Amino acid sequence: GAVVSQHPSWVICKSGTSVKIECRSLDFQATTMFWYRQFPKQSLMLMATSNEGSKATYEQGVEKDKFLINHASLTLSTLTVTSAHPEDSSFYICSANSGRGETQYFGPGTRLLVL
Amino acid sequence: AQSVTQLDSQVPVFEEAPVELRCNYSSSVSVYLFWYVQYPNQGLQLLLKYLSGSTLVKGINGFEAEFNKSQTSFHLRKPSVHISDTAEYFCAVSDSGGSYIPTFGRGTSLIVHP
Repeated sequence: GAVVSQHPSWVICKSGTSVKIECRSLDFQATTMFWYRQFPKQSLMLMATSNEGSKATYEQGVEKDKFLINHASLTLSTLTVTSAHPEDSSFYICSANSGRGETQYFGPGTRLLVL
Repeated sequence: AQSVTQLDSQVPVFEEAPVELRCNYSSSVSVYLFWYVQYPNQGLQLLLKYLSGSTLVKGINGFEAEFNKSQTSFHLRKPSVHISDTAEYFCAVSDSGGSYIPTFGRGTSLIVHP
């Protein structure tokens, strides 16, 4: 149980385009999902907390107009990187809390390369 | 607020040898503790967690960890590693009475040599 999927796993796009990444909880409902960014050889950096039916909570320094988060249902959250630039290239990982919420389960990640 | 220190950035070890990956944390409140493993180009997989009860926690793939409150540690151990254990390991801590959002350590790269 507690499986989280992400789509796509890889995306390459041109600078200036927007990219949408989907995060789904497959066998449980998640009122809260989380979006992380990971640079090579580094730990995870929490970008935002996605709450079903309400606005996302962004961490300090994360541009909310750049990284649009929508949590339209209890099993789906989306991250849209708007007007992507090469510096947005990174590994993006989502997670969701299961059960009482004390444990996070992670998706497989999405590798974004902006040319 | 919590913080996590993983003392070793890289741990090389030979196959079938035992291994310990160290994790220390600081927190002013009660915590939950986690170990995750990340294989190349993949997300994080939960290895084990301590929420309450027995301080010795057993996880998947033969790993175990012991919560030591007095030393604020949660070291990960495996008695005999395999080549397939080569991966990045992250220790994480969260506030047991709060938002449950974990704080991650910088990670330890376990490299198993044949």
